[in-house]
Amino acid sequence: EDQVTQSPEALRLQEGESSSLNCSYTVSGLRGLFWYRQDPGKGPEFLFTLYSAGEEKEKERLKATLTKKESFLHITAPKPEDSATYLCAVQVANDYKLSFGAGTTVTVRA
Amino acid sequence: NAGVTQTPKFQVLKTGQSMTLQCAQDMNHEYMSWYRQDPGMGLRLIHYSVGAGITDQGEVPNGYNVSRSTTEDFPLRLLSAAPSQTSVYFCASWDHTGELFFGEGSRLTVL
Repeated sequence: EDQVTQSPEALRLQEGESSSLNCSYTVSGLRGLFWYRQDPGKGPEFLFTLYSAGEEKEKERLKATLTKKESFLHITAPKPEDSATYLCAVQVANDYKLSFGAGTTVTVRA
Repeated sequence: NAGVTQTPKFQVLKTGQSMTLQCAQDMNHEYMSWYRQDPGMGLRLIHYSVGAGITDQGEVPNGYNVSRSTTEDFPLRLLSAAPSQTSVYFCASWDHTGELFFGEGSRLTVL
């Protein structure tokens, strides 16, 4: 059975304090790994898609990386506006569905 | 751009009542899905559709029905509401890239 596990569940950072979120997955044949950001009371918003081990993508203070077993979302010098829940999801080959992890809630204090 | 529109945003039901959550998308996406989100459990797939007239079950389909008569619309029906169906429901659509576009969510409380 496909599994997606995110850690930690919650992360409290001081403004400027860089850190990383982890998404480990167990799937048979990965088609793509997705990162989403979700603000309270809103729907998730797409950030990145990674397709193969070694791939990296960046957007402002966020950088996502992928290995054969896990993905990391690095937050460099975070600001309070980076506070959100970050969700990881996987899509397997020959399937249309995405399976989500439970998310990591990041709080950045000024 | 409207994207994915869900209605209603909030709903309170009594146990045993039925209702329909509406979802419409204007991006001409083939694929649509319904998720529920509960604290600590992430997003769980209820039903999904790969095109008009085609639907399939996800991870937690019991107590819910769907239909897809048009590309744009994908309503979710609760047949006989139970307190365990208290949740936030998200509709999403996507194309062949796999990038999901989500609605703003519908918060349902069943008393």
